[in-house]
Amino acid sequence: KNEVEQSPQNLTAQEGEFITINCSYSVGISALHWLQQHPGGGIVSLFMLSSGKKKHGRLIATINIQEKHSSLHITASHPRDSAVYICAVVSYNTDKLIFGTGTRLQVFP
Amino acid sequence: EAGVTQFPSHSVIEKGQTVTLRCDPISGHDNLYWYRRVMGKEIKFLLHFVKESKQDESGMPNNRFLAERTGGTYSTLKVQPAELEDSGVYFCASSQRLAGVYNEQFFGPGTRLTVL
Repeated sequence: KNEVEQSPQNLTAQEGEFITINCSYSVGISALHWLQQHPGGGIVSLFMLSSGKKKHGRLIATINIQEKHSSLHITASHPRDSAVYICAVVSYNTDKLIFGTGTRLQVFP
Repeated sequence: EAGVTQFPSHSVIEKGQTVTLRCDPISGHDNLYWYRRVMGKEIKFLLHFVKESKQDESGMPNNRFLAERTGGTYSTLKVQPAELEDSGVYFCASSQRLAGVYNEQFFGPGTRLTVL
């Protein structure tokens, strides 16, 4: 069992839909990243959070440290949001990132 | 300010050949990390430099992989000899080194390595 589990693995949506991607982890962490990777592209960090909630434009990320769970929400999804979204936790004391397998999102017009 | 850069963006080599990947971190970032994603798997940690020293190389798969960071600036990752299973995307990330806190890592665009 991976230390970081994401769900779903694949997600398709119609433009305008509300999207939720979930991440659960089993290790102690000091922070959690949500990352985005477009096809053939590099990795962009969307959020880094260690508690509570952060919002950037149409993206919202939440984390519950007690439940070891984080969610990434996309409101009013758009085809340009199509990408792989990756949850990565920062292992406590080592700063080493442990990655989930990613969620492939496709948003259709 | 320039971000993390990696070279080449794509490399295609034959099994048994040698390939050297380069990463230039953000200026002033003492931490430099190498990660790898092989087909169908999650991204995995390879190693971590603090300046020119290897802090953690527990993720290096075997002795065909050699990472260096002479002078504490850019880093190279050499694969010699390359095997088919080394194909994947190699990412580099860098961060500052401020004591007592986690310092956000910034990723490069990756190098896609294809071993035929």
